[in-house]
Amino acid sequence: DTEVTQTPKHLVMGMTNKKSLKCEQHMGHRAMYWYKQKAKKPPELMFVYSYEKLSINESVPSRFSPECPNSSLLNLHLHALQPEDSALYLCASSSREVSGSDEQFFGPGTRLTVL
Amino acid sequence: RKEVEQDPGPFNVPEGATVAFNCTYSNSASQSFFWYRQDCRKEPKLLMSVYSSGNEDGRFTAQLNRASQYISLLIRDSKLSDSATYLCVVNKNNNDMRFGAGTRLTVKP
Repeated sequence: DTEVTQTPKHLVMGMTNKKSLKCEQHMGHRAMYWYKQKAKKPPELMFVYSYEKLSINESVPSRFSPECPNSSLLNLHLHALQPEDSALYLCASSSREVSGSDEQFFGPGTRLTVL
Repeated sequence: RKEVEQDPGPFNVPEGATVAFNCTYSNSASQSFFWYRQDCRKEPKLLMSVYSSGNEDGRFTAQLNRASQYISLLIRDSKLSDSATYLCVVNKNNNDMRFGAGTRLTVKP
């Protein structure tokens, strides 16, 4: 299984809603990532978990809250978002131990619209 | 200076052309290097890892020059299906991944 899955595919939420994005991989990868991608821009790193511990937080606003319940799952909890947070949210995983490289495998993304 | 800089593009080339993309990175301690392609409204997919010795995969050749902090990608005999955005990615340190802005390639019949 060389797949990273993300749910939901699309999400529309109001600024007062609380929602969660989910990501799952069963490749035994020990690093998992959240990226934000706006149209015609490259992905921007938000968070990195390494061995289920948060290792990188790119000064992301607290309205985004990551969680890594176990080595296969990664969540992104959303609360009180702003319209400018509308973007494609990509999850990725990698593992030098498994594949001999840091190459990342990306999920298909969740397209988020904040009204 | 941006951490990873790429040719701005866009590149519009005829089928069969050879096209080269360049990328520079600012952190000399960067650990690993990749080229990804991203199709419109899709996720990035790994095209190649990049090594100092250079590596080739069919029509694609990637090179890394650590002294100049420079990465390149050469595509020979371009196909219509090569049309995509090509992203240079650098692992700055311990999975701190930095993306270049991407270069849009359009291959025309």
